[in-house]
Amino acid sequence: ETGVTQSPTHLIKTRGQQVTLRCSSQSGHNTVSWYQQALGQGPQFIFQYYREEENGRGNFPPRFSGLQFPNYSSELNVNALELDDSALYLCASSLAGRGTEAFFGQGTRLTVV
Amino acid sequence: RKEVEQDPGPFNVPEGATVAFNCTYSNSASQSFFWYRQDCRKEPKLLMSVYSSGNEDGRFTAQLNRASQYISLLIRDSKLSDSATYLCVVIHYGGSQGNLIFGKGTKLSVKP
Repeated sequence: ETGVTQSPTHLIKTRGQQVTLRCSSQSGHNTVSWYQQALGQGPQFIFQYYREEENGRGNFPPRFSGLQFPNYSSELNVNALELDDSALYLCASSLAGRGTEAFFGQGTRLTVV
Repeated sequence: RKEVEQDPGPFNVPEGATVAFNCTYSNSASQSFFWYRQDCRKEPKLLMSVYSSGNEDGRFTAQLNRASQYISLLIRDSKLSDSATYLCVVIHYGGSQGNLIFGKGTKLSVKP
C-alpha cells in the first residue's frame, strides 16, 4: 500500500452537478498532484499543490479547482459536470524535489450521467 | 502531436517471450524518465526510472536515448503476472517541481 488514500472510490453524478474528491497524502509528503484518466488513455495532469498553493496546472478549464490543507491533504472540485468528465481521478503525493517518486492513490471513478 | 507517444499495442505474447516497448517524447527539456505499470482498474505504480546509461532490474531493462528522445523497456522471460498496461512517463521541471506526463500506455497480455 502507498499510504495515499482517496475517497470516495466510486461516484455517480448528474450532468451539471458539482463534485468534491478527496485525497490524503502519504505521511511526510508535501506535494499533491491530481490526474484525470479517461478510459483507454494515460493519466492527464490537472494541477499540483505544494504547501497549500497551486504549483502548476494542466490544460483543464477553471471549473476544475482544488485545495490543499495544512496537513497536506487535498480536494479536487469540479463544477458544472459534463459527460466527458467521466473518468478515473488519481491523486499522487510526493516529497518536494526533483526526481522524487510519486505515489498514487487507488483513484476515484466518477461517472457522469 | 502528443508530448509522449507509445507503441499502440496491444502486445499478446506467450510466456517466456521477450517483448520490447518503445516511447518517444517531444520536449527536449524533459529531465526525468520512468516506466509505470498499471493493472486493470488499479492505480499506476512505478516500475523503474530510466537513465541514459541504461538500467536493469531483474528481467526488466530500460534505456534512454536523449539525442533521439527515445525511451525503451525490454522484458525478458515474460511471466503471466507481467500482464498489465505499461506507461511511459517524462517530467520537465521548468521552475516548478514538475508533473508527470504520461503516454497513452501499451497493454501487454502474456498467455500460457
